[in-house]
Amino acid sequence: TQLLEQSPQFLSIQEGENLTVYCNSSSVFSSLQWYRQEPGEGPVLLVTVVTGGEVKKLKRLTFQFGDARKDSSLHITAAQPGDTGLYLCAGGVGSYNFNKFYFGSGTKLNVKP
Amino acid sequence: GAVVSQHPSRVICKSGTSVKIECRSLDFQATTMFWYRQFPKQSLMLMATSNEGSKATYEQGVEKDKFLINHASLTLSTLTVTSAHPEDSSFYICSARGRDSLLGSYEQYFGPGTRLTVT
Repeated sequence: TQLLEQSPQFLSIQEGENLTVYCNSSSVFSSLQWYRQEPGEGPVLLVTVVTGGEVKKLKRLTFQFGDARKDSSLHITAAQPGDTGLYLCAGGVGSYNFNKFYFGSGTKLNVKP
Repeated sequence: GAVVSQHPSRVICKSGTSVKIECRSLDFQATTMFWYRQFPKQSLMLMATSNEGSKATYEQGVEKDKFLINHASLTLSTLTVTSAHPEDSSFYICSARGRDSLLGSYEQYFGPGTRLTVT
């Protein structure tokens, strides 16, 4: 089992604030994904990063993969109540098209209007 | 993205009985399927990986005789929780990986999950 620690575990902020969620491991991953999950539903993929140092932007969300492919961050600009949810990182082990993913410990985000 | 379904979405069973959960890829062929379990307010824990036509590979600490996985076709995998006990109550989520017809790459899609409650 590959251990992925996310921080913070819980985050409660006001609408309009910025935030960063971190995903750290001592293991190297072939790729890293970020998901958002609503209660009682399966996780929904937000992004996949595969190259060390890679940065991807998805509207107000910015994802970065660490140079050593051991860590990642998710930054949200001007958070909105609709961003509320459980954010999960998942590290891929194995070759890109045939890897399996281990999930991080999760960050519960609550954005208050 | 592709669609993965799970059936049932919720199931309640008595202690000692067995429960089968189905995972289907509806519009693509899933060469690999994964089963996860998630306890309340916790993350997803990978239980096993199954490739079509072969035996599943279980993660350390997961009892293969307790959680029977069958991946008989490219669109269906089943997880059977045998002799269920209250501690098996959890949210079980499958994901299916196959070649995306539009992207051309291998992508993984998650099902909506199955809430199992053992009384």
